Order: sequence, then C-alpha cells, then structure tokens
Amino acid sequence: GENVEQHPSTLSVQEGDSAVIKCTYSDSASNYFPWYKQELGKRPQLIIDIRSNVGEKKDQRIAVTLNKTAKHFSLHITETQPEDSAVYFCAASKGGNNNDMRFGAGTRLTVKP
Amino acid sequence: DAGVIQSPRHEVTEMGQEVTLRCKPISGHDYLFWYRQTMMRGLELLIYFNNNVPIDDSGMPEDRFSAKMPNASFSTLKIQPSEPRDSAVYFCASSLALAGQYFGPGTRLTVT
Repeated sequence: GENVEQHPSTLSVQEGDSAVIKCTYSDSASNYFPWYKQELGKRPQLIIDIRSNVGEKKDQRIAVTLNKTAKHFSLHITETQPEDSAVYFCAASKGGNNNDMRFGAGTRLTVKP
Repeated sequence: DAGVIQSPRHEVTEMGQEVTLRCKPISGHDYLFWYRQTMMRGLELLIYFNNNVPIDDSGMPEDRFSAKMPNASFSTLKIQPSEPRDSAVYFCASSLALAGQYFGPGTRLTVT
C-alpha cells in the first residue's frame, strides 16, 4: 500500500520567514495530494491540494509543488505569521474506486513573533 | 451546509462497555471516512465507504471495531468491548471522489 513520509517533524521559523515541508510517497499510481492544517484541539482542514497533471499550485501565501518522477511534493508558506502555527499533514490518494488517503505523520510548525 | 457532524463530541466510558460514534456527512458527498488520531500513531484511516458500501476496512484494528452506513446521511463506528488503548480522537470525514476530505469536529473517546 501507499506509504507517505513527511519531513521535518517540527519546524520553527521567525515571523516573515518562509517555511517548507516535504513529503514523499511510494505508490506511483497516486494522483491527488492534499495538505491539511490542524490547529490545537481542532479538526484537520484542507488548505490546498494538487493533482498529478499539475506541477505547481499557488494560493496567496501558500504554494505546493509536485515532482512525479521523484515522487515527492512540498508545501511552501511565505511571509509566515503566528496564526500559521499548527500541525500540517500531507496526504496521497489514488482516487477513483480506490479513494483511501494516506497521511504523513505531520509537521508541527511554530512561527515566532 | 453545516459541514460534517459528529456526535458525541466527548465520550468517557469504562473498559468493557460498548461505544457508538455517529457521523452525518456533507449532503451530496459520496465518500465517508473514519479516522483515529493519537499522539503515538498519528492519523490512521480505519475504514471508508463509497455510496454507503464499505470499500476498505483494512485499517480497522480488531474485530471489536465495526462500522456501518445504512444510508447516505448517516454512519456509525462501534467499539465493543472498549479498552483503554482505544482512547483517541475519532474523526469522520466526507468527500466527493478525488477531492479533498472535509473533517468533522471529532469525538474524543476516553476509556478508563
């Protein structure tokens, strides 16, 4: 089955700096890669996603890149703010009739003011 | 839409008791997922349904766990008998095919 690895497990940056979180996946058939943000005591919330026919997607301060050949994808947050502090999860899915989603272990991001 | 609804939000029970967690997915979504989250194991997929049919239950830890989806707007996750190691936050999520999943607020289960 699919195995998703996520790095780093913790990340601390200064407000205004950029943060990058990286994930690798094992199943080359995976074609959908969402990212979730989970604040303390809250539910995971979808913040951005990318499909395998696209190499990069951007939404304001957040961008995701995908390298299908290397089977890795990354989340980039620019101009970080304290409210970006949370645990971020990447995930991978094959979709179609096999829509199970495998999550990475999460990255705890702390943005220091 | 009110989003994914879960009940109860908190459940405290004694070892050996039956626990039933409930979920109402977003109307129109054809996939429903049950997850368990702990500090040690992270976010684990337990089972998911497509059009009310269980597709993959390989994540269900033991026969003590069972899940049903009698119709498109309701699902249950049952643990019988419960054990202290079942203590976790259980999330239900729903989605349309090959799209992001929307999570419910979760049920925090404590088994003493």
